[in-house]
Amino acid sequence: AQSVAQPEDQVNVAEGNPLTVKCTYSVSGNPYLFWYVQYPNRGLQFLLKYITGDNLVKGSYGFEAEFNKSQTSFHLKKPSALVSDSALYFCAVRVSGGYQKVTFGIGTKLQVIP
Amino acid sequence: GAGVSQSPSNKVTEKGKDVELRCDPISGHTALYWYRQSLGQGLEFLIYFQGNSAPDKSGLPSDRFSAERTGGSVSTLTIQRTQQEDSAVYLCASSKDRGTEAFFGQGTRLTVV
Repeated sequence: AQSVAQPEDQVNVAEGNPLTVKCTYSVSGNPYLFWYVQYPNRGLQFLLKYITGDNLVKGSYGFEAEFNKSQTSFHLKKPSALVSDSALYFCAVRVSGGYQKVTFGIGTKLQVIP
Repeated sequence: GAGVSQSPSNKVTEKGKDVELRCDPISGHTALYWYRQSLGQGLEFLIYFQGNSAPDKSGLPSDRFSAERTGGSVSTLTIQRTQQEDSAVYLCASSKDRGTEAFFGQGTRLTVV
């Protein structure tokens, strides 16, 4: 079985400060990893993904994430937070190979304080 | 179409009635997912279609829930004898291939009264 853990229900950060949203995963095999963002009353939007290759992945809106196989983590980061980054962030995983469903975490609410 | 389309966007139904939710995936996408998002909750997996393979129904919460995908394109999620706990936003997503990201529709907000 595959699973995703987002240990923080909410993350608060001051505007201009770096932000990190944590994600750990569990799969039987190599993972494909994803981050999505959901703005209030909006659908989910894709931010970035790790499939293979460089462990540091860059995505939309200045976000990046680092795949760490030994720690089974895929934390989302941004060097300087904007108030407009305030939203709900979801980490997701699926196992590589075959045709498997994507499993999402419960989400982390990011609040950027002006 | 340009994106994943879901209809209706909102549905209010009486307890005990059946409802059908529709999803039009992006043309050419072979994978289609249904998820449920309750207020303050994460995304709960419901069902996954991949091409002509048998769907993964492991997330359907009860036998009142069923889904089909006709012709490898449009999908319908049916909830029979709705209960108040079925109230949620039902999200559909599609993806092109195994390693690619899923694109989500805007969801159907279901309210059972």
